[in-house]
Amino acid sequence: KAGVTQTPRYLIKTRGQQVTLSCSPISGHRSVSWYQQTPGQGLQFLFEYFSETQRNKGNFPGRFSGRQFSNSRSEMNVSTLELGDSALYLCASSFGAGIIGEQYFGPGTRLTVT
Amino acid sequence: QQQVKQSPQSLIVQKGGISIINCAYENTAFDYFPWYQQFPGKGPALLIAIRPDVSEKKEGRFTISFNKSAKQFSLHIMDSQPGDSATYFCAASIDSGAGSYQLTFGKGTKLSVIP
Repeated sequence: KAGVTQTPRYLIKTRGQQVTLSCSPISGHRSVSWYQQTPGQGLQFLFEYFSETQRNKGNFPGRFSGRQFSNSRSEMNVSTLELGDSALYLCASSFGAGIIGEQYFGPGTRLTVT
Repeated sequence: QQQVKQSPQSLIVQKGGISIINCAYENTAFDYFPWYQQFPGKGPALLIAIRPDVSEKKEGRFTISFNKSAKQFSLHIMDSQPGDSATYFCAASIDSGAGSYQLTFGKGTKLSVIP
């Protein structure tokens, strides 16, 4: 079974631009969660989508948004990029259907904002 | 409080030794405690997980010990190998509503196993 895939793997953007990251979950998984990983703050939860609906959101500004499609693929968007947005963005998938789900992570997208 | 505190930050162990990483949590509503292993350039990989109704879980060389009353849990890696050198994260999960389980992570422990 294929794992979680994320594209692109690396991105370099300029301050003020916007960026869209993509995540394809494991086949059969309907929940996709996004996390930001930085050396200073560690792994922090951004939001979670299940059946095309955002079920949960972390403590990030509104510049961070996401969506999920009917095939469970998810995209994350960051608008008006700031230098502090440089991080590894990870998505994780799980079944998500009312049970404590094991979350499986993709390799991440390394975003560098200059 | 949603914090999970992890120690030590870094750990050096001789090959064949036991690696022990500790985590403590505050929110008694946490009900799922996974450990993740992350190699440089990779995403975290689920290693082993435990629920609070169990005091210990073993999978191969990896064991989680869970102390509900102390609100602590730990990862033991027996017979540590150089290939175990990675960063380990403990986490805790809680139902944030509508079946959504959000992971709260510790800050990570960088393990180096030396030959």
